[in-house]
Amino acid sequence: AQSVTQPDIHITVSEGASLELRCNYSYGATPYLFWYVQSPGQGLQLLLKYFSGDTLVQGIKGFEAEFKRSQSSFNLRKPSVHWSDAAEYFCAVGGGDYKLSFGAGTTVTVRA
Amino acid sequence: DAGITQSPRYKITETGRQVTLMCHQTWSHSYMFWYRQDLGHGLRLIYYSAAADITDKGEVPDGYVVSRSKTENFPLTLESATRSQTSVYFCATGGQGAYEQYFGPGTRLTVT
Repeated sequence: AQSVTQPDIHITVSEGASLELRCNYSYGATPYLFWYVQSPGQGLQLLLKYFSGDTLVQGIKGFEAEFKRSQSSFNLRKPSVHWSDAAEYFCAVGGGDYKLSFGAGTTVTVRA
Repeated sequence: DAGITQSPRYKITETGRQVTLMCHQTWSHSYMFWYRQDLGHGLRLIYYSAAADITDKGEVPDGYVVSRSKTENFPLTLESATRSQTSVYFCATGGQGAYEQYFGPGTRLTVT
């Protein structure tokens, strides 16, 4: 069975500073990996996805993520955060049956 | 074009009552999914559907019933609501290959 671990429950970062959110997955084959963002009271929005190919993927809102098979990781990064990046971020892994497994989420707080 | 809508957005019901949450999409995506979101658990899959009249259980299906007579609708019914079903429920549709999922705004359900 596939699973995702997001080790950080809550991260606080200063506006303009860099951000990195950790994601570790468990899956027996090549995974499909996703990062979603959820603003307060909203549904989830897809930030980026990895299916195959280049292990560094670019997403919306200036986010990128790097797939590292040796570490079973898919960490999300942003070089300079904006106050609007305050939200909850979810990493998800998919296998061969279109079902996604989500991590518990990381809440990001941005301080001025 | 509304994409994916959920109704109601908020619902309070009593233990033992039957309640149905509605999900409607305008994209004609084949796959549709129901998740529940609880603090500390991220999103957990309740049921999903690959097409009209084809449904299957997810990770936490007990106490829920789904149907899909039309491609665009995927209602979720709690036959006899319990307090443990207090949660935020998200419907999603499957885009490219169904791995890229698009989420509705959610329904916040409280069972008293």
